[in-house]
Amino acid sequence: KQEVTQIPAALSVPEGENLVLNCSFTDSAIYNLQWFRQDPGKGLTSLLLIQSSQREQTSGRLNASLDKSSGRSTLYIAASQPGDSATYLCAVNAGKSTFGDGTTLTVKP
Amino acid sequence: DTEVTQTPKHLVMGMTNKKSLKCEQHMGHRAMYWYKQKAKKPPELMFVYSYEKLSINESVPSRFSPECPNSSLLNLHLHALQPEDSALYLCASSSPGRGRPEAFFGQGTRLTVV
Repeated sequence: KQEVTQIPAALSVPEGENLVLNCSFTDSAIYNLQWFRQDPGKGLTSLLLIQSSQREQTSGRLNASLDKSSGRSTLYIAASQPGDSATYLCAVNAGKSTFGDGTTLTVKP
Repeated sequence: DTEVTQTPKHLVMGMTNKKSLKCEQHMGHRAMYWYKQKAKKPPELMFVYSYEKLSINESVPSRFSPECPNSSLLNLHLHALQPEDSALYLCASSSPGRGRPEAFFGQGTRLTVV
């Protein structure tokens, strides 16, 4: 059974800092991995999708990496802003999606 | 249009009521999903429809009844719910297939069962 772990569970940083969120998974037989953002009480917004054959994807200030063999993915956020405050979820797709518990990020002005 | 639209946004219902949640997308996606999310927990998959046919039912109680009337619409019929069914219900869509590309989620319906 696929298990997905995200660390840290919560993170608080001052505005402008670069930060890394971590996602690990137990079964490397995946098709892709997707990072989402969720604001309180809202739906999920897709940030980046990495196929199993890819090593990284970039979108603006976001960069996601994937090391399938070690079962790890990271989401790098450059020059963080208060508007980045949200919960970040990774989902591993191996036929059906398995979500991590998320990292709640607070960026202080 | 990259939106998945869910209605209503909020719903309060009694345990004897019958209500329906609706989800609509016009991205041509042929896979649609229902998830349930409790507070501070990740989404949990409930149902998957592929080409308008139910392909996955994650052992969801029969008081939840999904329906996919066409390729753009997904409904979740609710009957005789329990207070513990109160949660955020999320709909998602994607292209079907095991190497499923990007999933798009709606904003959810916040359901409260009283």
